[in-house]
This record gives sequence, structure tokens and C-alpha cells, in this order.
Amino acid sequence: QLQLQESGPGLVKPSETLSLTCTVSGGSISSTSYYWGWIRQPLGKGLEWIGSIYYSGSTHYNPSLKSRVTISVDTSKSQFSLKLSSVTAADTAVYYCARLDYSYGPTSFDYWGQGTLVTVSS
Amino acid sequence: DIQMTQSPSSLSASVGDRVIITCRASQTISTSLNWYQQKRGKAPKLLIHAVSSLQSGVPSRFSGSGSGTDFTLTISSLQPEDFATYYCQQSYSTPIYTFGQGTKLEIK
Repeated sequence: QLQLQESGPGLVKPSETLSLTCTVSGGSISSTSYYWGWIRQPLGKGLEWIGSIYYSGSTHYNPSLKSRVTISVDTSKSQFSLKLSSVTAADTAVYYCARLDYSYGPTSFDYWGQGTLVTVSS
Repeated sequence: DIQMTQSPSSLSASVGDRVIITCRASQTISTSLNWYQQKRGKAPKLLIHAVSSLQSGVPSRFSGSGSGTDFTLTISSLQPEDFATYYCQQSYSTPIYTFGQGTKLEIK
């Protein structure tokens, strides 16, 4: 059974860089049928796609966050990572990592991590 | 950008009720529409893929329909475990994805 697990600091100071890692187990991060992505959810609000990465390193970002987001992958560790720079209180949210399946029909987020709360505060 | 609008934003219903949640896209998205269920404190779970294909293990009381810009998620007979928030998501504009704002289904 595929599992994804987010890790990283739960508290980040304003103007600093938020860094999270997602570890994939029970399956290969190098599969050709999947992308890997980050989604966030401010408390009590809806879901926002942040960006996605292929095992080769090809990335796609939400245009509204593109200037501050970097997603990278380390296939040797079965991990992919998120960096969000110049954070403000508006970036406080639960951050999820997920698998994007585009092998059949429209792309969907079919496996999710449990999520990790990141609070931006001094 | 393709905007996804769900209605209603919240809904109160009773066990056994038939519930319909609507999702409207700001432009045609063909059948590139997925539905997710999120229970309090948990990650979203993919329920329905490509408008009407139920994920493995999802009860048959859930169904989806629509095409173009208008889509529906129907729960034929609400069960206690169905009270949750539901999100639609479009992937027509792949590799850019957007979600609806969510519909919170509460117990009446």
C-alpha cells in the first residue's frame, strides 16, 4: 500500500522559507505514470494546489505562487520537497503531499499524506 | 484560470436522505472532473474520477454525472459516515489544477 508522509518544521517565521519533505513508501517514486504534488489548506478553508513534480525533475507550479515555490525530487531517497519563500501569515495552512495519477483519464490526486500544519508566526 | 464553484456551500441532511451537490466550471472542462471527500482532521480521499468512475471501495450510493461545465455528486441514501466536506477538482487545464471551495454536509 502506497504511503506518503510529510515532515518539516511546524513553525516558520515571517519572511523566511518554509521547507517540507514528503517521503514515499510502498511504491516507486520513479514510476512513469505519476506526478507528485503539494496541496495546502488554510484552517477551515478549501484546497489549493501548489505544484507538482515528475521523477525526472520536471515541475509545474500554481501561477499564483510560482515566484515563491520550488519543488524538487530525490529519487534515491524516495522523497520530494517543497520550499516556499518569503512566507507570511497567509501561508499558514495544513500542507499535504499527494500522488497525481495521469495514467487513465483526467489527472487525479489518488493518494495523500496525512498533512502537516505549518504556522507562520514570529 | 478555470474557476470551480460548488453549491451549496453547506447542507444539512438526515440519514437516509438523497443529497445532490453541484459543481460548475467557469469554462468547459469536458469530463475532467474528480470528487473528493474530506472528514474532519483527515486528508481528502478520492471518491470519483472522471465524472462518474467510483474509486475502488467507494460505496455504490455515491454517483457522479455531468459534462462540459455542470456536474453533480449524488449520495442516494445518506449514511452517518458520509457527513463530511466534499470537493470537486478539475484537471482539464493540466498541469494546472483547481478545486471547488467545498460543500460541508452536516447532520440535520
